[in-house]
Amino acid sequence: DAGITQSPRHKVTETGTPVTLRCHQTENHRYMYWYRQDPGHGLRLIHYSYGVKDTDKGEVSDGYSVSRSKTEDFLLTLESATSSQTSVYFCAISGTGLETQYFGPGTRLLVL
Amino acid sequence: KQEVTQIPAALSVPEGENLVLNCSFTDSAIYNLQWFRQDPGKGLTSLLLIQSSQREQTSGRLNASLDKSSGRSTLYIAASQPGDSATYLCAVIRDYKLSFGAGTTVTVRA
Repeated sequence: DAGITQSPRHKVTETGTPVTLRCHQTENHRYMYWYRQDPGHGLRLIHYSYGVKDTDKGEVSDGYSVSRSKTEDFLLTLESATSSQTSVYFCAISGTGLETQYFGPGTRLLVL
Repeated sequence: KQEVTQIPAALSVPEGENLVLNCSFTDSAIYNLQWFRQDPGKGLTSLLLIQSSQREQTSGRLNASLDKSSGRSTLYIAASQPGDSATYLCAVIRDYKLSFGAGTTVTVRA
């Protein structure tokens, strides 16, 4: 299995609070991605990174920001969490961005 | 915008039957296509990746075909087992980003 960890694995927070999710990889892959998975919508790309400090928006980026200061870490921040951001968040990595993507175990976020 | 469709949404078969899962996509300008498996409450496990220049890819009991011109891929699972019960997702890669289908949930009855 690809070395990808996500933290925390579960989180409950209140509307309006900031939340940061962390993705850590040990594979030295260049590309890292954040997705959310919701019933009825499937998996949707939030943001992705193609190198340290290089990021771009995905399909559902509103309300989210990301940062990547090291190859191994990709952070997803919800500046002010809303109930619509209750979801399961997955991180993924890829060597070149055109190869197999490997997924982390996911983070379940509940915003009350 | 790339649209990826998987039909049927759910499938139930008796053990031993071959499974055929379909995936279609609207924009044929893809780089490759990937099939995943997801167990309830778990992450995604990559099954097969087919490059756009390939017609098919095989791994054990799994075989995936790709027809870019018609925007279709099919995943075949031979001699299904109860352990094959899961949701199967296809995704296409273009511009370094994946677009996913909603998945087909498979139940293999013992």
